[in-house]
Amino acid sequence: AQSVAQPEDQVNVAEGNPLTVKCTYSVSGNPYLFWYVQYPNRGLQFLLKYITGDNLVKGSYGFEAEFNKSQTSFHLKKPSALVSDSALYFCAVRDHTGANNLFFGTGTRLTVIP
Amino acid sequence: GAGVSQSPSNKVTEKGKDVELRCDPISGHTALYWYRQSLGQGLEFLIYFQGNSAPDKSGLPSDRFSAERTGGSVSTLTIQRTQQEDSAVYLCASSLGEGRTQYFGPGTRLTVL
Repeated sequence: AQSVAQPEDQVNVAEGNPLTVKCTYSVSGNPYLFWYVQYPNRGLQFLLKYITGDNLVKGSYGFEAEFNKSQTSFHLKKPSALVSDSALYFCAVRDHTGANNLFFGTGTRLTVIP
Repeated sequence: GAGVSQSPSNKVTEKGKDVELRCDPISGHTALYWYRQSLGQGLEFLIYFQGNSAPDKSGLPSDRFSAERTGGSVSTLTIQRTQQEDSAVYLCASSLGEGRTQYFGPGTRLTVL
């Protein structure tokens, strides 16, 4: 069965510092991996995805994520955090063998401190 | 272009009442999904529509939940005889097709008193 783990409920980082939001996954076969961000009272916004190809994926708002097959991880990163990056971040996986829905992690609340 | 829209944005109802939640997907998107976001359960898949195919209902939590999609576009999620545990944010997403990136609407916050 597919599953996604986000081990940190909360991540705090100072503005201007690099940020990392962690995600590990479990899926049969090759995974399709996604990151979404949710701002207060808003729906989920797509940030980036990994399907195949380069392990380093670049997405919206300066975010990137690195797919690591051996560690089954897909951590979200940004070199320099902004206060406006403060939001709830969700990692998700879709099994490429046929299931079409996304399996989400429990979310990580990122707070960027001015 | 216009994104996924959902209505109402908020719905308060009494236990035992039926509710209908509406989703307008992005124009041209053939796939439509419903998810539920609740405090205790995180984000859960409910149901999936792809074109004219039979929907994948594998995520519906009980037979009180149903959904339809008319004309391959607008979808309605119906919850009958609502219970307090149905309180959650119901999110709709659409994509260009099977396996493509899903784009989410703002959600409907349902509160069952």
